[in-house]
Amino acid sequence: DTAVSQTPKYLVTQMGNDKSIKCEQNLGHDTMYWYKQDSKKFLKIMFSYNNKELIINETVPNRFSPKSPDKAHLNLHINSLELGDSAVYFCASSQDQGARRNTIYFGEGSWLTVV
Amino acid sequence: ILNVEQSPQSLHVQEGDSTNFTCSFPSSNFYALHWYRWETAKSPEALFVMTLNGDEKKKGRISATLNTKEGYSYLYIKGSQPEDSATYLCASDNNAGNMLTFGGGTRLMVKP
Repeated sequence: DTAVSQTPKYLVTQMGNDKSIKCEQNLGHDTMYWYKQDSKKFLKIMFSYNNKELIINETVPNRFSPKSPDKAHLNLHINSLELGDSAVYFCASSQDQGARRNTIYFGEGSWLTVV
Repeated sequence: ILNVEQSPQSLHVQEGDSTNFTCSFPSSNFYALHWYRWETAKSPEALFVMTLNGDEKKKGRISATLNTKEGYSYLYIKGSQPEDSATYLCASDNNAGNMLTFGGGTRLMVKP
């Protein structure tokens, strides 16, 4: 039983396309996140949602738009994909708002390649 | 911008060796330090969350210590096994908008 699941796991697409990555957690957590693994392999937070409301929005291009239909789902939509968007994107969740002392549970990552 | 650094970047050891690596983080406004174990193509898996200066935590052959005054944490693996091969990530919470700042990880490879 996967706690945090994200799809697709691998995605190859052309520049200029619009794509979405879906994420679902079955842990009953209130907070969900999107992280991006950058070129130096660091995990950088992009967005954080608590009970469907945006809490953290780091400096991310407007082409990236998260959508949280309910607290168990946080989807990432990317418009007009660019070569530099190629990365691994991780969805995650935690019990309540903020990282704090709570463990963050990660999905397996979605490998996005823009050609 | 917070700076969380891990060293070494990569490490090769023989099966049975004990090993350790370091996570350095800002000591100001410190709240919590997280350690994760990450195998490629799998989810990063939480190992420890540590908050108090002098904290020591243990999970099987893996243990960690925390020094919040000087801003470092050590992760120890006793008697390394091939299945310990993974990237070990640390992340610091320094009250910066409830975010974790991750280090670049230490990639451990254990040879049988």
